[in-house]
Amino acid sequence: DAKTTQPNSMESNEEEPVHLPCNHSTISGTDYIHWYRQLPSQGPEYVIHGLTSNVNNRMASLAIAEDRKSSTLILHRATLRDAAVYYCILSGPGSSNTGKLIFGQGTTLQVKP
Amino acid sequence: NAGVMQNPRHLVRRRGQEARLRCSPMKGHSHVYWYRQLPEEGLKFMVYLQKENIIDESGMPKERFSAEFPKEGPSILRIQQVVRGDSAAYFCASSPQVAGGGGETQYFGPGTRLLVL
Repeated sequence: DAKTTQPNSMESNEEEPVHLPCNHSTISGTDYIHWYRQLPSQGPEYVIHGLTSNVNNRMASLAIAEDRKSSTLILHRATLRDAAVYYCILSGPGSSNTGKLIFGQGTTLQVKP
Repeated sequence: NAGVMQNPRHLVRRRGQEARLRCSPMKGHSHVYWYRQLPEEGLKFMVYLQKENIIDESGMPKERFSAEFPKEGPSILRIQQVVRGDSAAYFCASSPQVAGGGGETQYFGPGTRLLVL
């Protein structure tokens, strides 16, 4: 299974942008890059996903490196509600042909008021 | 649109009893995944089911655990003869699309927190 590497923790101030990095140097050409987050005592929540091009949605932006060996989740203005564990996950025939998600330890984001 | 529903939200069992966890996927979703999160640990895949079929059970413990997703009704994760090590949060997720392409989004339920005394 293709692996991802994320920092264990990051801090941010409220109302400021946050850039959460993820390395996936063994990604295959058919793997999608997914981001989920888990707020305390809740189930995981889908954030965003992409294949090659940068992606934007109402929650965040995903910037994918040209060689696809790394990506960055961008929260444009962090709020206290964004404090969560963020998971970067690869999904596709190269990593899992049944669609199961393989969660790592993720990045614990703390947002300070 | 109701999201993924799981019940009960909290379940307490004594050692040796059976635990039944239910998951109702989002309307129109025919793919269900179960994950387990042990205390202070990450989420681990357990099993992937489509209606009436188990597609991938590579994450299921070999004994005491079983799962089903019948033609009608919710998906059930069943744990027989529970032990203290089964205490965990169990999450169900559903997806609308054929799995494996990589672009599928999974929608998670709130989880069932099992405590074994």
